[in-house]
This record gives sequence, C-alpha cells and structure tokens, in this order.
Amino acid sequence: NAGVMQNPRHLVRRRGQEARLRCSPMKGHSHVYWYRQLPEEGLKFMVYLQKENIIDESGMPKERFSAEFPKEGPSILRIQQVVRGDSAAYFCASSPLRTGYGGNTIYFGEGSWLTVV
Amino acid sequence: DAKTTQPNSMESNEEEPVHLPCNHSTISGTDYIHWYRQLPSQGPEYVIHGLTSNVNNRMASLAIAEDRKSSTLILHRATLRDAAVYYCILRDVIDAGGTSYGKLTFGQGTILTVHP
Repeated sequence: NAGVMQNPRHLVRRRGQEARLRCSPMKGHSHVYWYRQLPEEGLKFMVYLQKENIIDESGMPKERFSAEFPKEGPSILRIQQVVRGDSAAYFCASSPLRTGYGGNTIYFGEGSWLTVV
Repeated sequence: DAKTTQPNSMESNEEEPVHLPCNHSTISGTDYIHWYRQLPSQGPEYVIHGLTSNVNNRMASLAIAEDRKSSTLILHRATLRDAAVYYCILRDVIDAGGTSYGKLTFGQGTILTVHP
C-alpha cells in the first residue's frame, strides 16, 4: 500500500542554489497539493495541481518558487536561489479525482526537510 | 475560508478516553469537517471526516452537533502514540479559475499530551 512518496527526505542547500523536491502521489491519484511548514509554525497551502495543470497557486511566493505535475513522472516543487528563510518542511499530498467535493480524503507524504546554510 | 477554534493544548492519561473539541460556528452547509493529526517530524495523518452524522472508524469517532457549529473528536483509549497535534479543518470547496476543489486550510490545532 504505497502512500505518497516524497524525496529527498532531507536536503541541504547553500544560499543561492536550487532545490528540487519530488512527490509521487498515491496510485490512482491525479491531484497533488504542496504545503510548507516553517519551524514552529502551522502548515500553509502553497499550490494545487492536476496532471499538466496548475489549478490554484494562491499560496506560492511570487518569486523563485514553481511547481509542475507533468503527464508522466512525479510532481516537482522547485525553489531557485534559496535563502535561509526557505528552510522548512515541505509536504506533498494527493487525492483521487473528484472535483467540487469536500468529502474525499487527502493523504500526505512524510515531507522533505530543506535546510539552507 | 471557514474557520475553526480549538484549544491550544490538552492532556490525557494513557488508556483513558480523550475528547477533543472544535468550534466552527460559521460552517456552511457543504463544508465537510476533517480531522488530521501530525506527529513530530511527520506528515499530517488523516484521522476522520464527516458532514452531518456521527462517524466511526478504527482510529476514532467524530461527534457532530445537530446544528453543525461544533464537533468532537473522540479517541476511545489514548496511547502514547496518540500524542500529536490534532487539526480540525473545514474543507472548503472553492473555485479556482473555473475548477472547483476541496481545499484544506490548517489552523494551529490542539497539542495533545498523553501521560503514561
């Protein structure tokens, strides 16, 4: 019963480098969400994607952050030119196809912990 | 976004039942009530959800008030592994550019401490 798979689990980057976080949704799920959790803070929504489409990116920082969910392969959250303030846990979640409905379940991965030094 | 109010923290003893309250006085008719929990250094874990009727599963029970303005998550016998932050969330169905979907917006949650 493979759940939502995220890698890497831990990533260390120097300031100015790029960070790429990958997420493979649960089997049969075609919707992916990304959340960020800063140290000692709550989970904040970043972006919601369906295959090849960004549906809601209202929580994404305006610069340096991008996300994609290609037709084949995992979803990628990309952070360019990382700064210390990007250090956080990034969680991916997935849900099955059923739009316009609040009753299906969203399943989360174990997270990717990014540390910027 | 519809909002929920939870106590910042609660304590329980092992093997005893735990009742975690949640107020959501502005809930709309289509909002589902979802509960997640997060253990240290882990991702949020789905616990239970419901709309109007009480719900039971192997992890917990969810009691929903008749007016739906509040709900209670019930852990029947707390164990040390239940120590976590518990989030009560109203799942909004929002319209984003013509596509509607159910969005999860996390609050601060309740920190549950379980004593041996």
